Amino acid sequence: LAKTTQPISMDSYEGQEVNITCSHNNIATNDYITWYQQFPSQGPRFIIQGYKTKVTNEVASLFIPADRKSSTLSLPRVSLSDTAVYYCLVGKRPGRRALTFGSGTRLQVQP
Amino acid sequence: DAGVIQSPRHEVTEMGQEVTLRCKPISGHDYLFWYRQTMMRGLELLIYFNNNVPIDDSGMPEDRFSAKMPNASFSTLKIQPSEPRDSAVYFCASSPETGSQETQYFGPGTRLLVL
Repeated sequence: LAKTTQPISMDSYEGQEVNITCSHNNIATNDYITWYQQFPSQGPRFIIQGYKTKVTNEVASLFIPADRKSSTLSLPRVSLSDTAVYYCLVGKRPGRRALTFGSGTRLQVQP
Repeated sequence: DAGVIQSPRHEVTEMGQEVTLRCKPISGHDYLFWYRQTMMRGLELLIYFNNNVPIDDSGMPEDRFSAKMPNASFSTLKIQPSEPRDSAVYFCASSPETGSQETQYFGPGTRLLVL
């Protein structure tokens, strides 16, 4: 599985847009990029998954440049409830295989 | 659907005792995963099953750990004997065989404390 690098922590304020970038220089041709969110005392929760360009759902957007060596998770207008750890994962159709979680990015949203 | 169900939610035991963690995956999901999370090591995979068959148990720390999946709706993770370093949150997750977004659904976890 491709190794991922993301910031250890980020701070933001309510109402701001938050962008978390993940580097995955060794991504393979058929690897997907998946982001999970984990609140304290809960299991990780799937946020979004993509292969290239841009993917958007009701929670977030995922931007993937043409070379796919990085990806950016964008959270629009964050609220206090978005305070969590965000994990970037890269692999072949991750749902069917074991996930390798890195250290994640701890996002702290302030009022 | 109730989601992935894990029991117990909290477990406190003494070193040397046997601990059994239980998991009920989401109905219809063919994959089941056991993870362990600690501050030091983060979230790490222990073992996963496909159609009740163990596929990869390379993450199981040592022989003290064992996992079974006797049927599609139940799995156990057993630690015998338990040690203080086994203290962690243990998550079970399940995933369907097919789907447009192949995501894993995690349970609430079992917080284990071995004294």
